[in-house]
Order: sequence, then C-alpha cells, then structure tokens
Amino acid sequence: NAGVTQTPKFQVLKTGQSMTLQCAQDMNHNSMYWYRQDPGMGLRLIYYSASEGTTDKGEVPNGYNVSRLNKREFSLRLESAAPSQTSVYFCASSPSLQGAYYGYTFGSGTRLTVV
Amino acid sequence: GQQLNQSPQSMFIQEGEDVSMNCTSSSIFNTWLWYKQDPGEGPVLLIALYKAGELTSNGRLTAQFGITRKDSFLNISASIPSDVGIYFCAGGSSGSARQLTFGSGTQLTVLP
Repeated sequence: NAGVTQTPKFQVLKTGQSMTLQCAQDMNHNSMYWYRQDPGMGLRLIYYSASEGTTDKGEVPNGYNVSRLNKREFSLRLESAAPSQTSVYFCASSPSLQGAYYGYTFGSGTRLTVV
Repeated sequence: GQQLNQSPQSMFIQEGEDVSMNCTSSSIFNTWLWYKQDPGEGPVLLIALYKAGELTSNGRLTAQFGITRKDSFLNISASIPSDVGIYFCAGGSSGSARQLTFGSGTQLTVLP
C-alpha cells in the first residue's frame, strides 16, 4: 500500500514563481491536511479538508491556497513564492475529522527552497 | 491557541542507554500521540493514548498519558542506532477543527 504520496520530493523556486504541491492517498480517508515543518517549530497546520468539497484554514494559511480535487487528492498552491516559504511540506490524512483519535498518516514530504 | 512544550529539544546518548522525553501543555487534551520522524521521511505514529493515567508500551517504547491530561512522556529503553530521529508529541482535542497540536520535537542521536 502506498499510503500518502507527495510530489515532487524536492523543488527550488525563484521568488515570485508559482507552483503546486500534489498529494494523493489511497486509504479511502475523508480528511486531509497540509503542514509545514520548520526547525524548532514543529508541524504547523496550513490548511485542511474535512471531507471532499470542503477546505478550511489552519494556523498559517497566508500565501497558500488549496484544492480538494476529489476524495483522494489534496493540492497546495503557492501563487507567488517568498523565501519565508522555504520549508518542508507534509501532507497527511485521517479517516475522519476525528483524526485526533486515529492519528494521521503522513507523506514523505516536499522539500521546498525559495531563493 | 493551544501550544505544547516538548523537552528536551535534543539528546545525545550512548547506545544501550534509556531515554526519556516529555510534553506539557496549558490545555487539556483528550488524546496524546507520539510520532517518530526518520531523516528524510514523514512522521510515523508510534503510540496513541486515550485515557488519563494510561500507560502503553510498544516494544522498547513506553508512553504515559498524564493524570492532569496536560502532559505525556515517552521512554525508550536500551536505545539502538535505529532509534535516531525526531520524536514528536501531539495532543488531540476531539471536535476541534485543528485536531492535532504538535510539539516542536526532540532530536535523538544515538552514539555507538
């Protein structure tokens, strides 16, 4: 089983460029999440999708947009990349919004550098 | 918002030693989870705790849900080189839109 698949694994962008990070899960999970990980700051929630067709902001949504394309796929878009968005981005999923009970399944991450 | 204080931030230990790390919060959580992140990978769930006072083991790992529901600790016994990685605690509030709040992580290095 693949679990949660993220693409690309690595990306370098110039300031002002745009890009979309892709995430797909094959576990029939309802809820999906995007986190960023920065040194010493743990995992911070950017956006989440409780179920297909819904999305909501997390702690640090500024500069990002998301699309829940279908039940499997949840993409994160940077419209105009800034150096402050240099980070490791993780997609995660859980059976439902009761992810606090089941825990999340994470992808292996996208390492993004904005120069 | 809810915040978790995880300590220590980093640890250097000798192979075979025991390890202890903990998380504290000013808020009550209904669930405590512990994750491990290997270098270059995403976090993987190690242990989940659901009741205050609960003590749960997974091989050489033991975790406890504090009786105040504001803290949790993780112990690793007889460390081995593959224990290297970042360990995260996460507190869960069922019904909260944010679901899981993560600590900042403990970086564990095991020296041969």
